[in-house]
Amino acid sequence: DAGVTQSPTHLIKTRGQQVTLRCSPKSGHDTVSWYQQALGQGPQFIFQYYEEEERQRGNFPDRFSGHQFPNYSSELNVNALLLGDSALYLCASSLLGGGNTEAFFGQGTRLTVV
Amino acid sequence: DAKTTQPNSMESNEEEPVHLPCNHSTISGTDYIHWYRQLPSQGPEYVIHGLTSNVNNRMASLAIAEDRKSSTLILHRATLRDAAVYYCILRDQSAGGTSYGKLTFGQGTILTVHP
Repeated sequence: DAGVTQSPTHLIKTRGQQVTLRCSPKSGHDTVSWYQQALGQGPQFIFQYYEEEERQRGNFPDRFSGHQFPNYSSELNVNALLLGDSALYLCASSLLGGGNTEAFFGQGTRLTVV
Repeated sequence: DAKTTQPNSMESNEEEPVHLPCNHSTISGTDYIHWYRQLPSQGPEYVIHGLTSNVNNRMASLAIAEDRKSSTLILHRATLRDAAVYYCILRDQSAGGTSYGKLTFGQGTILTVHP
């Protein structure tokens, strides 16, 4: 089992550009969540997808959008990049259910905006 | 979201037990207590979770207070590889019995393990 895989691992973009990050969930998982982790901080929830729809959203602007595909993989898109968007972006997958399920995280994509 | 309170940092010696505390005085009856850890330059890793009873797995033990307002993650024999940030998180069972997976991370506890 490959676990959660994210691509790319590192990315450098210029302010104002757009970026797409990708995530393949752990085999058998149907729910994907995205998190942003600034240096020295805990991960912050961006949004979560299930059945190709956004189900929950954190306090992030509309510049952050996502998609989930029929095979459960997911993309995170960020438009009009700001310097403050530089962070580690983490994808987590889990089974839909109550609090009695664990989430599995990928290694993350390190985004640097210059 | 229910909040948790953890010490900013703790230290331990290798091969000694480590007890990482977490306070969650506003926990609701439907909240599960989850622990994750994050090693340097890696994504968070699931450690253990529980609702009311103490739980054991190959990585750690989770001791939950009878009133559920606090819990303790126990690493029975710390190794250098256990040095990480440990997060205590409450995960809600509610919303019609469906949780869509949101995890609310705090600052966590930085665990340093000395050789």
